Amino acid sequence: QQPVQSPQAVILREGEDAVINCSSSKALYSVHWYRQKHGEAPVFLMILLKGGEQKGHDKISASFNEKKQQSSLYLTASQLSYSGTYFCGTEIGAGGGGADGLTFGKGTHLIIQP
Amino acid sequence: DAGVTQSPTHLIKTRGQHVTLRCSPISGHKSVSWYQQVLGQGPQFIFQYYEKEERGRGNFPDRFSARQFPNYSSELNVNALLLGDSALYLCASSRMTGSYEQYFGPGTRLTVT
Repeated sequence: QQPVQSPQAVILREGEDAVINCSSSKALYSVHWYRQKHGEAPVFLMILLKGGEQKGHDKISASFNEKKQQSSLYLTASQLSYSGTYFCGTEIGAGGGGADGLTFGKGTHLIIQP
Repeated sequence: DAGVTQSPTHLIKTRGQHVTLRCSPISGHKSVSWYQQVLGQGPQFIFQYYEKEERGRGNFPDRFSARQFPNYSSELNVNALLLGDSALYLCASSRMTGSYEQYFGPGTRLTVT
């Protein structure tokens, strides 16, 4: 089942914060976040494993709520370079294993204006 | 270290033809996955290979096949091309199968006319 991302699009001013959500109707084992700029390949941001941990580097962090089967990506003090489409990729199943690959949402378009 | 490489960058084919796409993973990575991304959508899983064996297959017809070589590089083959096969084909490299980071290559843009 494809995860649902929200919002579909968001426009921010440089320096503002953003939150992107990813929800699944299935039990998740891991959530992977990517950013893709137009005409380029998705760039890996971070992976969150079952267990509800929060990760982050620089001004981008993410959380994984195992009870709600939801992950959120937090962009703090956004920069122009943060513009792009953000995808969450989910891995379903209690045992992980990765054999089913990642199931991606439809993406969230983020536009940062000066 | 070099990232994931894919060839060719772009390809134009005619309906009914076949195509072979190639991928070289990051050095030390033993698993390769293939994804199809159509415009405006997220990548869709096609295959995963690890240690030259198919470990997973997505919901794609038998026209799609792949293999992994002893040096861990991989090929994706698509036979009897349809207009709907036009997409960006992405290869993702990871150290092992399982919940590891997957790093994407630049992709091959396939256009079927």
